[in-house]
Amino acid sequence: GAGVSQSPSNKVTEKGKDVELRCDPISGHTALYWYRQSLGQGLEFLIYFQGNSAPDKSGLPSDRFSAERTGGSVSTLTIQRTQQEDSAVYLCASSSAGVNNSPLHFGNGTRLTVT
Amino acid sequence: GESVGLHLPTLSVQEGDNSIINCAYSNSASDYFIWYKQESGKGPQFIIDIRSNMDKRQGQRVTVLLNKTVKHLSLQIAATQPGDSAVYFCAEKRGFQKLVFGTGTRLLVSP
Repeated sequence: GAGVSQSPSNKVTEKGKDVELRCDPISGHTALYWYRQSLGQGLEFLIYFQGNSAPDKSGLPSDRFSAERTGGSVSTLTIQRTQQEDSAVYLCASSSAGVNNSPLHFGNGTRLTVT
Repeated sequence: GESVGLHLPTLSVQEGDNSIINCAYSNSASDYFIWYKQESGKGPQFIIDIRSNMDKRQGQRVTVLLNKTVKHLSLQIAATQPGDSAVYFCAEKRGFQKLVFGTGTRLLVSP
């Protein structure tokens, strides 16, 4: 079946502009994660949606970052007033419903470059 | 804070050798661990997982060992191939809480 899909695959934006990154999780997966990966670095947790529970936003680096998940499926990560330090690959992942020990399946990410 | 780390940032091996990638974790309450492989330009790919009630799990050419006493996790790759060259991440999780990743180890396989 289809995996996690992210769009766009690449985004170049000017400093100060807003950007929206989209994630389509695997059908039926109710857990959805956003991570950020800077060049040559590990994965930095941003936000986690689990079913109808309140999202875990503890990883969002500033109030310029926000995410929503509509209808329990598609998620959008929004970065307002982008800064050069926001340049990174933004990865989305999803995992099975109601199972706390199941692997995350990742998309290929959106590479964001802020000029 | 809690962290997951790796002992070696880069591991170089010859094709056909066995590879061992190590990971230390600090949250003794973590009950689920995963190894991921990430190739350039792609998202992390699931390799193998292990729950805290096990100390060893085998897959195809890969084995994960978990030592809860010293909070250590390792990934063994048998007969390493050039296609195994990638960055490998361990990750830990507790219940329904978020998955936390280590910084990664780059595996370089020479023909």
